[in-house]
Amino acid sequence: AQTVTQSQPEMSVQEAETVTLSCTYDTSESNYYLFWYKQPPSRQMILVIRQEAYKQQNATENRFSVNFQKAAKSFSLKISDSQLGDTAMYFCAFILTVSGTYKYIFGTGTRLKVLA
Amino acid sequence: NAGVTQTPKFQVLKTGQSMTLQCAQDMNHNSMYWYRQDPGMGLRLIYYSASEGTTDKGEVPNGYNVSRLNKREFSLRLESAAPSQTSVYFCASRRTGSYEQYFGPGTRLTVT
Repeated sequence: AQTVTQSQPEMSVQEAETVTLSCTYDTSESNYYLFWYKQPPSRQMILVIRQEAYKQQNATENRFSVNFQKAAKSFSLKISDSQLGDTAMYFCAFILTVSGTYKYIFGTGTRLKVLA
Repeated sequence: NAGVTQTPKFQVLKTGQSMTLQCAQDMNHNSMYWYRQDPGMGLRLIYYSASEGTTDKGEVPNGYNVSRLNKREFSLRLESAAPSQTSVYFCASRRTGSYEQYFGPGTRLTVT
């Protein structure tokens, strides 16, 4: 079965500090994409960062970076210099190709609170 | 550029009532998706449409029907609402050749 596991239901971090959210996944595919989405209280799903499985270099987007360990099937998100606006639910997801179309598998989410 | 829009934003139904959730995108995307989001469950795929005129079941299709009216619009219908369908519903779309989905703002549905 294809699954995504986020083992931290809730986390908190002090403003300006660094926090890492963990994600592990299970798939037999060799080529896939991984994503982190942010969902603030407004409910809007916002793409934070993505990683192609065939790329060894970890993706980075400003204060957001990932630690992608393909052999371990691990895809953690690091947020540096945390800001109050980073308070949100964060979802890890990956994509499968099923019958020629894409199917997304989401984790259950980590609720992050940034403290002033 | 509105992106993906959903109506209504909130809805309360009584058990057994029917309703249709509307979704439209103005990005000329071929693929569209309906998800439900429940506490502790993440997003689960209800139905998707790879192109105009085609629809397929996702992970949790029971109790729902969909219509891909045209390339822009993808509606989700609850024929006889049940309390188990209380959830937040998201519509998303994706351009062919891209892996990124664009999400609507969601509809919070309560069935009493």
